[in-house]
Amino acid sequence: DGGITQSPKYLFRKEGQNVTLSCEQNLNHDAMYWYRQDPGQGLRLIYYSQIVNDFQKGDIAEGYSVSREKKESFPLTVTSAQKNPTAFYLCASIPTGLYGYTFGSGTRLTVV
Amino acid sequence: GENVEQHPSTLSVQEGDSAVIKCTYSDSASNYFPWYKQELGKRPQLIIDIRSNVGEKKDQRIAVTLNKTAKHFSLHITETQPEDSAVYFCAAPASNDYKLSFGAGTTVTVRA
Repeated sequence: DGGITQSPKYLFRKEGQNVTLSCEQNLNHDAMYWYRQDPGQGLRLIYYSQIVNDFQKGDIAEGYSVSREKKESFPLTVTSAQKNPTAFYLCASIPTGLYGYTFGSGTRLTVV
Repeated sequence: GENVEQHPSTLSVQEGDSAVIKCTYSDSASNYFPWYKQELGKRPQLIIDIRSNVGEKKDQRIAVTLNKTAKHFSLHITETQPEDSAVYFCAAPASNDYKLSFGAGTTVTVRA
């Protein structure tokens, strides 16, 4: 998976439930990002983190939360406040001072 | 932040013909412009990128051109093949950050 592992590959969420998507990287990258992709649309930034214990909101952070307790890990929680969570979620990382994302293989979340 | 617009949204070409996708960006200080290819259900893969100090870059059948004055950059695929069928995304960073803003994507279909 190019050094970034996302799990699970498929996830089903019931109404009112919180779910957590995992993103782990062994590339020693400092910065990590979460994007959401809807059919026929581009990637929209949810949250990002440039160093451990620090993260910033992206363009569509409402209804989501993150943590960055370890350099290797950047989990995303989709809360019940996110009313339309069905989408493909992509995690990415880059080294400090460089461009060119490495993406994980994605998690497809569906509300049932 | 950066605003990236991409055209066309869909593109159908005959095998062997060329395909061109154009993107415009808003932040005149942006200095890095990648192109990603995403096959159905897969992660985006970086296929080519260009920095603001050059006007063109080629890699086999793929080329990217950049016009900083007009704030647009284009992807050119020559001698298209069926395996070129995918969704292509352009992106650009804000001038003060490394996070990327993505275009909405172009679905390219190569007809055999």
